[in-house]
Amino acid sequence: GAGVSQSPSNKVTEKGKDVELRCDPISGHTALYWYRQSLGQGLEFLIYFQGNSAPDKSGLPSDRFSAERTGGSVSTLTIQRTQQEDSAVYLCASSRPSGGARSETQYFGPGTRLLVL
Amino acid sequence: AQSVAQPEDQVNVAEGNPLTVKCTYSVSGNPYLFWYVQYPNRGLQFLLKYITGDNLVKGSYGFEAEFNKSQTSFHLKKPSALVSDSALYFCAVRADPSGNTGKLIFGQGTTLQVKP
Repeated sequence: GAGVSQSPSNKVTEKGKDVELRCDPISGHTALYWYRQSLGQGLEFLIYFQGNSAPDKSGLPSDRFSAERTGGSVSTLTIQRTQQEDSAVYLCASSRPSGGARSETQYFGPGTRLLVL
Repeated sequence: AQSVAQPEDQVNVAEGNPLTVKCTYSVSGNPYLFWYVQYPNRGLQFLLKYITGDNLVKGSYGFEAEFNKSQTSFHLKKPSALVSDSALYFCAVRADPSGNTGKLIFGQGTTLQVKP
């Protein structure tokens, strides 16, 4: 079956530009997560969606970062006025609902490699 | 605060030998623990998880992990390493057991190098 897909796979942008990163979760997965992987910081959580709601945005590093999810499926992570420190691999993961005592496995996409020049 | 430590940046083993990749954790409450593997320019692939039950968890590709509550460890093991096992391995713990989000906290990763 289809896994998590992300687009674009690579993105090169100039400092100050806005970028949008897309994630298509596994069909039927209501939970969706964004993480960032960088050399200096390792793997960091950014935001969690349950359906179209984001009950946990605690990992977003600044107000330049935002994300939305529509139709309980596709999610877009937007970075405004990109900075060089935003260069990283942005990973999306999805799972069945993981609240409470459940701990469903998160399945990751291949990531979007962002380079800000 | 919940945290995960992978004390070794790199582990080197010879093909056919057993391998261990170490992970220790700090959580309040019962830990939910995961191992993922990442091959170059790829996303993370799930290997195995411990939620409850038997301390020895078996996962994909012949890997297993042993949960040790007293030592707060969850080391990844394989009886006989393959060159194709060479990759970056991440241990992770759920940040808020029984909470409203399943977000994970990851260790820094351990590079496994298996030599022929």
